[in-house]
Amino acid sequence: DAGVTQSPTHLIKTRGQHVTLRCSPISGHKSVSWYQQVLGQGPQFIFQYYEKEERGRGNFPDRFSARQFPNYSSELNVNALLLGDSALYLCASSINPTENYEQYFGPGTRLTVT
Amino acid sequence: QKEVEQNSGPLSVPEGAIASLNCTYSDRGSQSFFWYRQYSGKSPELIMSIYSNGDKEDGRFTAQLNKASQYVSLLIRDSQPSDSATYLCAVKDNTDKLIFGTGTRLQVFP
Repeated sequence: DAGVTQSPTHLIKTRGQHVTLRCSPISGHKSVSWYQQVLGQGPQFIFQYYEKEERGRGNFPDRFSARQFPNYSSELNVNALLLGDSALYLCASSINPTENYEQYFGPGTRLTVT
Repeated sequence: QKEVEQNSGPLSVPEGAIASLNCTYSDRGSQSFFWYRQYSGKSPELIMSIYSNGDKEDGRFTAQLNKASQYVSLLIRDSQPSDSATYLCAVKDNTDKLIFGTGTRLQVFP
């Protein structure tokens, strides 16, 4: 079975530009969460979606937005990129965000902002 | 602010030894706990989950949870050089998001 997929794998953008990252969850998983991981740190929660509804938002500015589609895939959008947005962006899927359901990560998108 | 604390390491152990990785968390209401392994340049890979006090074993891995002490640990028996990675402790909070520690870097030398 296919795991979580993310695209693109790598991305280089210039300050002020906009970026869209994409994620497809494991088949049967209806929840997607987005995390940002900078070098030397653990992943930081950005958003969680379940059944196309936003269930949670982390401490990130409004430049960050996301949505989930009817097929449960998801997009993360970041506007007005800053150098500090350079990071590994991770998508994780789970069957259900509640109870004891585990989250499985995709390979990530490495974003470099110059 | 909810926190998950881990020693950043590196923790160096010889091949064949037991590696012990520790994690403490601040939110006493947390109910779900996870260990992820992350190789350099790769994404985190789930290796263990634990929800009840006590031990949970899976192959060479044993997770231990003590909710009263707000402490969770991971033991790796018969450590192999391929176990060299960063191990991330994650705690699910009451809004169902994962809060990660900074990770412990494990080095297993031959």
